[in-house]
Amino acid sequence: SQQGEEDPQALSIQEGENATMNCSYKTSINNLQWYRQNSGRGLVHLILIRSNEREKHSGRLRVTLDTSKKSSSLLITASRAADTASYFCATVVGGDMRFGAGTRLTVKP
Amino acid sequence: NAGVTQTPKFQVLKTGQSMTLQCAQDMNHEYMSWYRQDPGMGLRLIHYSVGAGITDQGEVPNGYNVSRSTTEDFPLRLLSAAPSQTSVYFCASSYSKTGAVGELFFGEGSRLTVL
Repeated sequence: SQQGEEDPQALSIQEGENATMNCSYKTSINNLQWYRQNSGRGLVHLILIRSNEREKHSGRLRVTLDTSKKSSSLLITASRAADTASYFCATVVGGDMRFGAGTRLTVKP
Repeated sequence: NAGVTQTPKFQVLKTGQSMTLQCAQDMNHEYMSWYRQDPGMGLRLIHYSVGAGITDQGEVPNGYNVSRSTTEDFPLRLLSAAPSQTSVYFCASSYSKTGAVGELFFGEGSRLTVL
């Protein structure tokens, strides 16, 4: 399946710590994206990394992509309580975008 | 700028009833899609469209119909609702020019319960 699978399913850390989430997939992709979802809300786009890119940064976010291992990671540095949410990776092949089951991140004050 | 608007936000149906979930975007996006989200399963793609008059099936299309007569609107039709279609439905759109969909903008979701 093209669909990404996140690891871990749940992560609990203290404010100020870094949070790392991983995503693995099985087929060649055009790009991979990370999204955030607060409880009861729609998803919000965080970052997109193309298949020919290896690393991207956006503020406190750092995303890596290893196409040889078919995996990606999302690093959130200096986490805040407001970062508490579910995080999803999504793999794109043409017009078909598939999401994984997500990582539930809890940041304790 | 309203973005992606979904209606209704909540709906309760009886088994066998039909209904349409509405989705409209005002960003002139070519690409639109529908997902359902069930607990512990992430989002699953139902149908998508890369432009007016063009639709394609996603991962879980059975029981759902779509059409795209305008750039702005992408309604999702349930012809004969079943309890297995109880879920939260999300519509999303993207400005996709290169053939690979880019950043998706999501609506706030429609929570459907089928009794």
